[in-house]
Amino acid sequence: EVQLLESGGGLVQPGGSLSLSCAASGFVFSNYAMHWVRQAPGKGLEWVSTISSGGSTYYADSLKGRFTISRDISKDTLYLEINSLRAEDTAVYFCAKNRVAATLPLSYDYWGQGTLVTVSS
Amino acid sequence: QTVVTQEPSLTVSPGGTVTLTCASSTGAVTTYYYPNWFQQKPGQAPRALIYSTSNKHSWTPARFSGSLLGGKAALTLSGVQPEDEAEYYCLLYYGGAQLFGGGTKLTVL
Repeated sequence: EVQLLESGGGLVQPGGSLSLSCAASGFVFSNYAMHWVRQAPGKGLEWVSTISSGGSTYYADSLKGRFTISRDISKDTLYLEINSLRAEDTAVYFCAKNRVAATLPLSYDYWGQGTLVTVSS
Repeated sequence: QTVVTQEPSLTVSPGGTVTLTCASSTGAVTTYYYPNWFQQKPGQAPRALIYSTSNKHSWTPARFSGSLLGGKAALTLSGVQPEDEAEYYCLLYYGGAQLFGGGTKLTVL
């Protein structure tokens, strides 16, 4: 059974940093592209970042420079590091798996339950 | 700035048929935008329904279908069930970047 379990969320002060994790199980983690998507309270989904199985990375233009996606194949874990946090980064952050190794064809399948990041003083 | 537009809300009767659309401000949506569709119910994570325009996942009910319609990506629900009441999001690919639509709140009434 495919499982994705996010962790690392919490209350952070503006300007702070945070590292989110997504522990994967039930599939060969190294063989698939992975995504991060966020959802602000009461708002829609926003694509954040994608990493291919080969390590190529992609970011939403508005988030470039503050967000870093990475993966540790030895730990079957996806990461998202966020720096210079702002109030508008407050959201539930979801990780999701792609059906294939590359980013194309774009084909999300399994999602985690998300982890809440709250940026406030 | 590129925008992906969905109907904000739609209402359908149980057993009816409804089509949700997904438009791009850049022009006609084609298969190269690899449209994905997701369903999200309150308090839950999104669930993938359709990928690459019209392909279903193993768990996608047969009443859901994806297509291209009039220059837009489309999600059609035929024989709507009460449990289909949810928010639906489309996702399009833009050469490395991805954009979600604003979502369509589907009410089954």
